[in-house]
Amino acid sequence: KNEVEQSPQNLTAQEGEFITINCSYSVGISALHWLQQHPGGGIVSLFMLSSGKKKHGRLIATINIQEKHSSLHITASHPRDSAVYICAVTGMEYGNKLVFGAGTILRVKS
Amino acid sequence: EAQVTQNPRYLITVTGKKLTVTCSQNMNHEYMSWYRQDPGLGLRQIYYSMNVEVTDKGDVPEGYKVSRKEKRNFPLILESPSPNQTSLYFCASSFSGVQPQHFGDGTRLSIL
Repeated sequence: KNEVEQSPQNLTAQEGEFITINCSYSVGISALHWLQQHPGGGIVSLFMLSSGKKKHGRLIATINIQEKHSSLHITASHPRDSAVYICAVTGMEYGNKLVFGAGTILRVKS
Repeated sequence: EAQVTQNPRYLITVTGKKLTVTCSQNMNHEYMSWYRQDPGLGLRQIYYSMNVEVTDKGDVPEGYKVSRKEKRNFPLILESPSPNQTSLYFCASSFSGVQPQHFGDGTRLSIL
């Protein structure tokens, strides 16, 4: 069982839809990262969270430390949002290592 | 421009021929790390470095070496590459292990 679980694995949405991607982890962490990887492309860090909520443009990331759960929301989705979204965690239980979820493949159709 | 630069971007080589993938950052970051990405397995950490002369194993360090002699550089060395090291490799850096990471563009290695 992966220590970091993402859901769904695959997601297809219509342009304009509100999208939620979930990430759950099993032990206490000091930080959670959301990353974006476009097809054939590099990796971009979207958010780093240790508590609460962050917003950047149409992207919102939340984390609930007690429930060991984070969500990434995309409002008014657009085909350019099509990418793989990856959750990663770090903390004392992992040393200083970064442990990744398997990723969520998002396709937004126009 | 702030960036993490990896070289080469693509390499096809043969089993056993030593190779080095370089990684350099210009942001004065203390933390640097190497990852490999494989279909069905996702991203996995190979090695990381908290600062100069401080390196630690990630989840999949076997067959790899690293060094951190200067803050800006963190090369990944494959002393005797094998086909199971065929993968897409990313270098990343940040101010610390809990800060957002900046990723290089990736190096696609094929070992025949």
